[in-house]
Amino acid sequence: SAVISQKPSRDICQRGTSLTIQCQVDSQVTMMFWYRQQPGQSLTLIATANQGSEATYESGFVIDKFPISRPNLTFSTLTVSNMSPEDSSIYLCSVGFFSGNTIYFGEGSWLTVV
Amino acid sequence: AQTVTQSQPEMSVQEAETVTLSCTYDTSENNYYLFWYKQPPSRQMILVIRQEAYKQQNATENRFSVNFQKAAKSFSLKISDSQLGDTAMYFCAFRSGSRLTFGEGTQLTVNP
Repeated sequence: SAVISQKPSRDICQRGTSLTIQCQVDSQVTMMFWYRQQPGQSLTLIATANQGSEATYESGFVIDKFPISRPNLTFSTLTVSNMSPEDSSIYLCSVGFFSGNTIYFGEGSWLTVV
Repeated sequence: AQTVTQSQPEMSVQEAETVTLSCTYDTSENNYYLFWYKQPPSRQMILVIRQEAYKQQNATENRFSVNFQKAAKSFSLKISDSQLGDTAMYFCAFRSGSRLTFGEGTQLTVNP
C-alpha cells in the first residue's frame, strides 16, 4: 500500500473561481487517477493522470474544466475550473503500483461551491 | 462496457451477527479483478478485500469473506461478527485494465 495525501481536505469555494487539489504519494506509482463523488452517489472516474503528457479524460469530462498535471511518479494535481454549485463533490485521488492489482485511494477533498 | 450492480441500497445488522452484501457485474472479459471498498463517514475509501477472477478460491480477510461465482458473475461480501465500526457505505468494484468501475453502494448500519 501507500500513504496518499490530498490537499485541501475540505474547502468552501465561491462560484466562478478555480481550485487546485494536490495528491502526493510516498512512493512511486504506475497509475494515478482522479474520481468525483457527488453527494449520495458512487464514484465516477474523471481522468487518468499520465506522467509527462496530457491526461486521458473519460466521457463527459474535459480538460478545460478539469486540467490535470502529473510531473512525476509521485505527484498530481486536479484543478476544478470556473466552479458552479454542481461541482460540489468529493474529489478522490487514487493510485496503482508497478506490481499488484489493487487501486488505493487518498482521503478525498470535499469541495462545496457557494 | 462493464457494469456493476448492487441491488441493496441499505442494510442493517445487529452487532455480532453476520450480514451478506450482494454484487453482480457484467463483462465479456475473462481476466479481471473484483474489490470491496468501505467508505465510512470520514469519506476515505478503504480496501476491504479483493478477488482475482482466475482464482477459484474465495478470498478471506479476517471477518470478511467473499462468495465469488464467476459463471453467475456474482461477488457477494460476508461480514461475520459485525462490529459498530463496520457501519459504512460499501462499494463493489470491477477492474479490467487500469480503470475501476463501481457499483452504486450499499449503506450498512450495525446496530448495538
